[in-house]
Amino acid sequence: GAVVSQHPSWVICKSGTSVKIECRSLDFQATTMFWYRQFPKQSLMLMATSNEGSKATYEQGVEKDKFLINHASLTLSTLTVTSAHPEDSSFYICSASPVAGVVYEQYFGPGTRLTVT
Amino acid sequence: AQSVTQLGSHVSVSEGALVLLRCNYSSSVPPYLFWYVQYPNQGLQLLLKYTSAATLVKGINGFEAEFKKSETSFHLTKPSAHMSDAAEYFCAVKNSGGSNYKLTFGKGTLLTVNP
Repeated sequence: GAVVSQHPSWVICKSGTSVKIECRSLDFQATTMFWYRQFPKQSLMLMATSNEGSKATYEQGVEKDKFLINHASLTLSTLTVTSAHPEDSSFYICSASPVAGVVYEQYFGPGTRLTVT
Repeated sequence: AQSVTQLGSHVSVSEGALVLLRCNYSSSVPPYLFWYVQYPNQGLQLLLKYTSAATLVKGINGFEAEFKKSETSFHLTKPSAHMSDAAEYFCAVKNSGGSNYKLTFGKGTLLTVNP
């Protein structure tokens, strides 16, 4: 149980284009979903927290207009990287907290590797 | 504010040897503490968590960790390393109170297991 999927697992896009990453909780409903960014050989940095049906809360230094987050349902959140540039290349990981669980539980997706050329 | 310090970015052990990965935390309120493992190009898998119950926590794959409030530590141990344990390990902290449910991660420790 408590499986989180991400799609795509790997994407290459050209500079200036936008790319959307999906995060789905497959067997539970998620009140809250989190988006993280991880650079090579570094830790996870929280980008934003999203609650179903409301606007995402972004961490300091994260550009809201560049990283668009939509949490349209209790099982789906999307991260859109707009006008991507090579410096946006990274490993993006989402996690989800169950509605029915305790607030500290987070289940992580397998990650999406974005390469911007 | 909460923070996590993992001592040693890289730990190398021989197969069958004791694994000890160190984690110290800082938190203004009683914390919840976690250890996660990450294999290359994968997401994070929860190894174990401390949520104010027993101070010695047992997790998956033979790992365990002990919460020591006086030392503000939550070190991860395994008596005998396996080759399959080679991975990146992250310690994380979350405040137990209020609505702040964000996890703060340490920088990670890469565990190498030598045959």
